[in-house]
Amino acid sequence: QSALTQPASVSGSPGQSITISCTGTSDDVGGYNFVSWYQQHPGQAPKLIIYDVSNRPSSVSNRLSGSKSGNTASLTISGLQAEDEADYFCSSYTSIITPSYVFGTGTKVTVL
Amino acid sequence: EVQLVESGGGLVQPGRSLRLSCTASGFTFADYVMHWVRQAPGKGLEWVSGINRNSGSVGYAVSVKGRFTISRDNAKNSLYLQMNSLRPEDTALYYCTKDVGFTLFSPGANAFDYWGQGSLVTVSS
Repeated sequence: QSALTQPASVSGSPGQSITISCTGTSDDVGGYNFVSWYQQHPGQAPKLIIYDVSNRPSSVSNRLSGSKSGNTASLTISGLQAEDEADYFCSSYTSIITPSYVFGTGTKVTVL
Repeated sequence: EVQLVESGGGLVQPGRSLRLSCTASGFTFADYVMHWVRQAPGKGLEWVSGINRNSGSVGYAVSVKGRFTISRDNAKNSLYLQMNSLRPEDTALYYCTKDVGFTLFSPGANAFDYWGQGSLVTVSS
């Protein structure tokens, strides 16, 4: 399965909002509400930040939000902070070929 | 506190086998779907395999199907990945992950809420 498409990098100043896109097809992102997002700091394991498109685990800041339109899911980070600088990956259930999961290409967020 | 601890990684020659283990604690292991996800050095994430809580249903990425076998022992709170016919492109950090849900590929599942620190597998001659 081909990876979902994310921008390689996104940057913003402290306090600003940024949005990361995650584009797939009707066989994955567009066909199911099973999109999740992960934050990964250097040298650390990924951390779940959004599941089922827009649900947030209780420990995750409400500055992070998820949405979906058609074959594209989005992660928005509001009030950007230094601690948000990390890599972000989306993931989706996919039914193409065989039931499985596909991840995005990853986006490096830089806080200017 | 949920903890997932992987072991069994190392350097192996192409064509050889390796078995990864993951020991879980801090939650009722038998209630949840479990997965293996890998990350090649400096690269993105790739889902490898998942297993239902009662081992009745499993899934594999196309890239490993027929070579890798996932299993679990709920009595030992352990998850395993038997990797055969290893290739250089299997070189990666292998993470053991817990699913948020109870049934593989079903509503209420499909996200990975806890991750181990990973076990490095290097396939090279």
